[in-house]
This record gives sequence, structure tokens and C-alpha cells, in this order.
Amino acid sequence: GNSVTQMEGPVTLSEEAFLTINCTYTATGYPSLFWYVQYPGEGLQLLLKATKADDKGSNKGFEATYRKETTSFHLEKGSVQVSDSAVYFCALSPSGGYNKLIFGAGTRLAVHP
Amino acid sequence: DTEVTQTPKHLVMGMTNKKSLKCEQHMGHRAMYWYKQKAKKPPELMFVYSYEKLSINESVPSRFSPECPNSSLLNLHLHALQPEDSALYLCASSVGERGRGQPYEQYFGPGTRLTVT
Repeated sequence: GNSVTQMEGPVTLSEEAFLTINCTYTATGYPSLFWYVQYPGEGLQLLLKATKADDKGSNKGFEATYRKETTSFHLEKGSVQVSDSAVYFCALSPSGGYNKLIFGAGTRLAVHP
Repeated sequence: DTEVTQTPKHLVMGMTNKKSLKCEQHMGHRAMYWYKQKAKKPPELMFVYSYEKLSINESVPSRFSPECPNSSLLNLHLHALQPEDSALYLCASSVGERGRGQPYEQYFGPGTRLTVT
């Protein structure tokens, strides 16, 4: 079946540190991959996406590359800010069928000054 | 305008009450979704509407009844809920379900936090 595995949190970093949140997936065919961010008390915001192998999604300094060979979509940011503190969800939408998002468990990021 | 709005923001209801959650978007999107999110868990899909017709029901109990009166509005009618139904209910919309074989990205509202007593 389709599934997403994310590294467990919380991830605690100092401001300006480098961020990596690991995400691997299991799916048949060529799913589309997404990172969503959820700030406290809010809904989900789409952070970035990639729809085919070797695509790199980027937004607000965050990047992730769709790696078919390792079935991974790791999220990176070169220098985090306190305002990046949130829960990050990796998600996939299977190829074909209806538009269903399958989410990973989420990784909580806490950035300290 | 890329906003999905949801009302109310918070709702407390008893197990015998009937209440409704409302979701609205004015982006011209033709697919709308309901998700349920328990604390510290990811969202789980409940329903998908495509062109105002229910296309997917993820085996949701009948005490949850969705309705799509028009292309901008999505309701979730609640009746005889259980305390374990307490959660954040998220609405999302997308241009359609798929275009050129790729899924359209989903835009989420802020959610309604529901407490069942």
C-alpha cells in the first residue's frame, strides 16, 4: 500500500542552524510528493511539492528533491528562524485514482534564539 | 484570493446535539475535502466532493453527513457524536482532482476545533 515515514521529533535547533527532516515513502507508480507546514492553532499550508523524479520543490528557503531511487523527499533549509517553529508533514498523492493525500506522522520543529 | 474559510472556529456539543460545520472558498475550485485531525496526528481524509458530487467516502460513520450545496460551499452535518469524535476538522479545496494526470494541490482552511461532551 501507500505510506509515508517521517523522522520522529521533536527536532530542536538554534536559530541559523541547518535543518533536515527525513521523509521516505512507499507507493506504486509515480506519486506526487508534498511538504505541508502547520503552525500552532492553524490549518495546513502547502510548503512545496514535486510531481516527478528529480524534481526539486522550493519555497521560503526550504527545498526538497524527489528521489525515486531512494524513495525519499527530505526537507532542508540552510538557516532556520524562530518563526519556522511548526509541525511539518510530508505527504504523497498516489498516481491515478482520486486526489487523496497520505500524510506522514509529522515532525515538530522547535527553533530557539 | 487563496483562502478557505471555516466556521465556527470552535464548537462544543453534547452527544445528542445536531450541529453543522461550514467551509467556503471563492477560488473557483471544483473539488472540496473534509479531513479529521486528532491531536498530534496527521489529518485523515473523510470525504471528497468533485463538481458538487460526493466522489469518496472513506468509510466514515453515518453520524457525519456531508453536503455540498454549491461549488463554493461545503457543510458537514453532525449528529449523535461520540466523545472520541473530538478533533480538529479541516476543509480543503483544489482546482479539480487531477489535471494532466497530476493531482492539483490542496488548500486548507484553519479548521474547526470540535469538542464532544
